[in-house]
Amino acid sequence: AQSVSQHNHHVILSEAASLELGCNYSYGGTVNLFWYVQYPGQHLQLLLKYFSGDPLVKGIKGFEAEFIKSKFSFNLRKPSVQWSDTAEYFCAVSASKIIFGSGTRLSIRP
Amino acid sequence: DAGITQSPRHKVTETGTPVTLRCHQTENHRYMYWYRQDPGHGLRLIHYSYGVKDTDKGEVSDGYSVSRSKTEDFLLTLESATSSQTSVYFCAINRGGENTEAFFGQGTRLTVV
Repeated sequence: AQSVSQHNHHVILSEAASLELGCNYSYGGTVNLFWYVQYPGQHLQLLLKYFSGDPLVKGIKGFEAEFIKSKFSFNLRKPSVQWSDTAEYFCAVSASKIIFGSGTRLSIRP
Repeated sequence: DAGITQSPRHKVTETGTPVTLRCHQTENHRYMYWYRQDPGHGLRLIHYSYGVKDTDKGEVSDGYSVSRSKTEDFLLTLESATSSQTSVYFCAINRGGENTEAFFGQGTRLTVV
């Protein structure tokens, strides 16, 4: 069965700090991996996705993620966060169906 | 934004009453999903559909049923609503096959009193 774990439930950073959010998944076969973002009061939007090829993928708004197959991980990174990055971030795995992690709430101090 | 419409957007209902939420898409995508979002739990899959009349259970299907009689509509029914089903419900669509992502509706906030 597919499952996804996000290690950080709430992360608080100052503007310009670097960000890394953890995501681990379990599934025995080939998967597609995603990070979605949900700004306050809005629906989920795709940040980036990994299907195959280069394990370092770049998304919108300066975000990137690295797929490490041996660790079943797909961590999200951003070198310098902005106040506007305040949101909830969800990692997702797609195999037979799309399963989401429990989410990480990111708060940015101005 | 992908052509996904959820209705209603907000609903308050009483315990024990039936409730149906509708998801309508204009993208002709094969897969449709219903999730519920609750603090601390992220999005949990309730049911999904991989074609007309083809549905399957997700992680938290108890108390919910679904129907898909045509490609564009995916209905979620709470046969007898309970307070534990108070949540925000999101519909998502996906073209299917490899290398495709899901697109989400705006959500339905359901309160069971």
